[in-house]
Amino acid sequence: ILNVEQSPQSLHVQEGDSTNFTCSFPSSNFYALHWYRWETAKSPEALFVMTLNGDEKKKGRISATLNTKEGYSYLYIKGSQPEDSATYLCAFKLGYKLSFGAGTTVTVRA
Amino acid sequence: NAGVTQTPKFQVLKTGQSMTLQCAQDMNHNSMYWYRQDPGMGLRLIYYSASEGTTDKGEVPNGYNVSRLNKREFSLRLESAAPSQTSVYFCASSEPTENTEAFFGQGTRLTVV
Repeated sequence: ILNVEQSPQSLHVQEGDSTNFTCSFPSSNFYALHWYRWETAKSPEALFVMTLNGDEKKKGRISATLNTKEGYSYLYIKGSQPEDSATYLCAFKLGYKLSFGAGTTVTVRA
Repeated sequence: NAGVTQTPKFQVLKTGQSMTLQCAQDMNHNSMYWYRQDPGMGLRLIYYSASEGTTDKGEVPNGYNVSRLNKREFSLRLESAAPSQTSVYFCASSEPTENTEAFFGQGTRLTVV
């Protein structure tokens, strides 16, 4: 079983504040690290796919960094908005296998 | 463009009944996956198929079987349903290369009573 861990499990953010949370994964045999956004009653949708140590990806106010040597990735949300409320999942890809963490549920309060 | 289609969307089974969840993708992807989603546990991998004709166990395979019928279709079978299999099931597909994302179906909500 691939150990993909996310913390915290949930967090509440005031609208306009910035936040970040962590995904940790096995640092050996790295292949790829994915981030997905999952809104209630919908299906997960990909935010980022990261493959290289030091990768930084950005989409609007959301960005992610990757450290494959120490086995962690951060997701940042800048200036949180209510529409950012969702569960954010990271997934570790090893060969053909794609294993997910339990997610961080973000609630943005207006 | 349908993407990944799962049927049915909802199902209620009695303990001991069997059923097959269907999944089809039209993106010509080689890899397909079945996950279950339970509160506080994210997505747990049940089985995956790297390519047509191959299947492998994921993290929680007990009580399930799969069939990769062809490149498009990947089905999940519960032979004798148990209340512990009450969950939301998601099918996904992707290319097996490292820099490609997975695409998900809309989910099947299964209740075993």
